Amino acid sequence: ETGVTQSPTHLIKTRGQQVTLRCSSQSGHNTVSWYQQALGQGPQFIFQYYREEENGRGNFPPRFSGLQFPNYSSELNVNALELDDSALYLCASSLEAGGPLNEQFFGPGTRLTVL
Amino acid sequence: KQEVTQIPAALSVPEGENLVLNCSFTDSAIYNLQWFRQDPGKGLTSLLLIQSSQREQTSGRLNASLDKSSGRSTLYIAASQPGDSATYLCAVFHNTDKLIFGTGTRLQVFP
Repeated sequence: ETGVTQSPTHLIKTRGQQVTLRCSSQSGHNTVSWYQQALGQGPQFIFQYYREEENGRGNFPPRFSGLQFPNYSSELNVNALELDDSALYLCASSLEAGGPLNEQFFGPGTRLTVL
Repeated sequence: KQEVTQIPAALSVPEGENLVLNCSFTDSAIYNLQWFRQDPGKGLTSLLLIQSSQREQTSGRLNASLDKSSGRSTLYIAASQPGDSATYLCAVFHNTDKLIFGTGTRLQVFP
């Protein structure tokens, strides 16, 4: 059984550019959540995808968007990058959205630096 | 609005000590509570998950308790080791879609 994987591990972009981050969920999991973790802070929820549909969204602007594919892998897209978008982006998968099967398993993260 | 607080923010202890990390949350209507470990610059490793109907969970040297009515959870680490050095994060599952995290307790165990 493979765990949650994310790519790339590190990324450097400049202000105004666009970025796509990728996540493969743990085998058998149909729910993927994305979190942003600024330095010294706890992760903040961006959004969740359940069976290819957005299933909840945190307090992030529309330039943060996502997709989930039929194999339950997911992408996080950020447009018009700002300096404050520099953070560790974490992907988590779970068996089901909500209820007792929602233990979250996290990937290693993608470190995004915006210059 | 759900808020999660962790105390202390940092802790430095000698090897072998038993220690307690504290987590408090403002809204008792949670689905579950999860404790994580994070090594510097790395992702999160799930340590223990406590369902809202449970009072505690144990795994090896770790024991986590949950008191929903008072909005508190503790993570007990027995016989601490240098390899336990990391940041420990508490998170509550509020509604069905998201974890709300505290800012963590940074633990250093020295030989």
